[in-house]
Amino acid sequence: EIMMTQSPATLSVSPGERAALSCRANENVNNYVSWYQQKPGQAPRLLIYDASTRATGIPARFSGSGSGTEFTLTISSLQSEDIAVYYCQHYNSWPLTFGGGTKVEIK
Amino acid sequence: QVQLVQSGAEVKKPGASVKVSCKASGYTFSSTYLHWVRQAPGQGLEWMGIINPDGGSTFYTQKFQGRVTMTRDTSSRTVYMELRSLTFDDTAVYYCAKEGGEFWGQGTLVTVSS
Repeated sequence: EIMMTQSPATLSVSPGERAALSCRANENVNNYVSWYQQKPGQAPRLLIYDASTRATGIPARFSGSGSGTEFTLTISSLQSEDIAVYYCQHYNSWPLTFGGGTKVEIK
Repeated sequence: QVQLVQSGAEVKKPGASVKVSCKASGYTFSSTYLHWVRQAPGQGLEWMGIINPDGGSTFYTQKFQGRVTMTRDTSSRTVYMELRSLTFDDTAVYYCAKEGGEFWGQGTLVTVSS
């Protein structure tokens, strides 16, 4: 089973500032990584797939990068509505696994 | 439009079983896998397994092998997830999700309580 490790656990960012969330796999997952946003009481929302492709309707301030074992989700200018928990997930092989999540809060 | 509609909340006693349903619409049911993911209160997302509606083949993560069964009914476009021998640690919201991750069910809260 591939392990996905996210850091930091909590990220405090001022409105309008850049947020960078990290996700590391313990073995090569190629570019088969998705990023999800989850707000309280809601199902996860797909932001990024294939490491860097934005899903339908996702604002351009969200971008993904990386391949192999190191991945980053960047929010270029944090908005109040971006306050949420963000999860990475690999789908390189079964079983799929999620990272533990990064909580993004307003500084 | 694609929709996944799950069954309602359940309360079960330890040792019991629960069966959660997920009814799909808006796309060709047999064309894509469906995943099951759960989330315990205040915790992260946990992938449980996957079912191919075309043929019914499944893969379960090792943690749940022997305790979970995923099935489908093509006539009603519904997939099911049955979890047996429930413990308090199985209290969680259970989600179905269409391959690709863009579409999720609304979640089903399963509470295990004595």
